[in-house]
Amino acid sequence: QIQLVQSGPELKKPGESVKISCKASGYTFTDYAMHWVKQAPGKGLKWMGWINTYTGKPTYADDFKGRFVFSLEASASTANLQISNLKNEDTATYFCARARITTGDWFAYWGQGTLVTVSS
Amino acid sequence: DIQMTQSPSVLSASVGDRVTLNCKASQNINKYLNWYQQKLGEAPKLLIYNTNNLQTGIPSRFSGSGSGTDYTLTISSLQPEDVATYFCFQHNSWPLTFGSGTKLEIK
Repeated sequence: QIQLVQSGPELKKPGESVKISCKASGYTFTDYAMHWVKQAPGKGLKWMGWINTYTGKPTYADDFKGRFVFSLEASASTANLQISNLKNEDTATYFCARARITTGDWFAYWGQGTLVTVSS
Repeated sequence: DIQMTQSPSVLSASVGDRVTLNCKASQNINKYLNWYQQKLGEAPKLLIYNTNNLQTGIPSRFSGSGSGTDYTLTISSLQPEDVATYFCFQHNSWPLTFGSGTKLEIK
């Protein structure tokens, strides 16, 4: 069955970096783009951007340009999100979700979420 | 950017009630509108795609409608397990945007 399994919760200090992974299984990894969505505690969903799993090209929403990097380990069917120079406002749950524009398949499958807590 | 405004922000209804959740886009999104249900501590779940298409496995009490800028999610007979926050989402144009959510409670 199709699964997106994310890495575990992280506790970091301001200024540190964190890398979250999202391992896909049950389908051909390169057939679907991987998107990232942020949810601050008690807040709504914010789309961060996506990575083309075939070419490796990332696209970032404006609010996530600079400190955020999407990457792949394609041989391991894994997408990664790295956040550098962490700030308190990065405290959130981060979700990966797959999508394929050509078939209109938007976010039918999500990772379970990874909670990143930034605190001194 | 397309802004998605959901109303109400909180809705309290009784089991068996017909409930309607609203989502208004700041410009025409050509029916490229999905609805997601998120229960506490869980990832969002896709309910409806492209305005009115029920995702596989979702109960038929959920339905969607709308066009242009105005969209609606309807639950025909509210069940206790429907307690959740519901988000609309437009994929008509970049950047993709979600609504702020409607929290659905049982009276």
